[in-house]
Amino acid sequence: QPVLTQSSSASASLGSSVKLTCTLSSGHSSYIIAWHQQQPGKAPRSLMKLAGTGTYNKGSGVPERFSGSSSGADRYLTISNLQFGDEADYYCETWDSNTRVFGGGTKLTVL
Amino acid sequence: EVQLVESGGGLVQPGGSLRLSCAASGFTFSSYWMHWVRQAPGKGLVWVSRVNSDGITTIYADSVKGRFTISRDNAKNTLYLQMNSLRVEDTAVYYCGRSSGYDRIDYWGQGTLVTVSS
Repeated sequence: QPVLTQSSSASASLGSSVKLTCTLSSGHSSYIIAWHQQQPGKAPRSLMKLAGTGTYNKGSGVPERFSGSSSGADRYLTISNLQFGDEADYYCETWDSNTRVFGGGTKLTVL
Repeated sequence: EVQLVESGGGLVQPGGSLRLSCAASGFTFSSYWMHWVRQAPGKGLVWVSRVNSDGITTIYADSVKGRFTISRDNAKNTLYLQMNSLRVEDTAVYYCGRSSGYDRIDYWGQGTLVTVSS
């Protein structure tokens, strides 16, 4: 089954950009993933679906500042013009016929 | 507006049982696959189980297989999770979510806390 690997933490300054990475395990590099945001004390919120081609589809209401891209087994979430409200845990998700998995999450701190 | 509202969480002793519910509204419930995902205190998201739109096909994470049963009532727009033989390590917030088949979870409920402790 696929495994998703994320860095445990990231930080960036207010108004700058940050690129978070989610890496698919060997043999699963073509998989589609999704990115989710979980603000402190809240339920997760789906941000987008992201294919290996780099094509992404955002959920309704997701700001233009959030974008996705891909390279090989890596899937990226870029957040531009960082706001304090973007401080959250970010999880990637993927799935196949037998299971669904999440990465360990990246805690984003806005300085 | 899509809404998913979980209920049924609480404190239960090890070995006990609990049934969670997820009431859906704002969309055609019977057209979507439904999932349970849990999050232990201070930890990440862990997928638990999925039921297809017909309610017949179900799959489970190995950690809950044989102890948990997912089901749905399309007439009542409600998803369930029957949890038996509960363990301390099942303590978590349980979220329900929906997907359009093999696709991302696009909407999440607000979660319900299950605490397994003596």
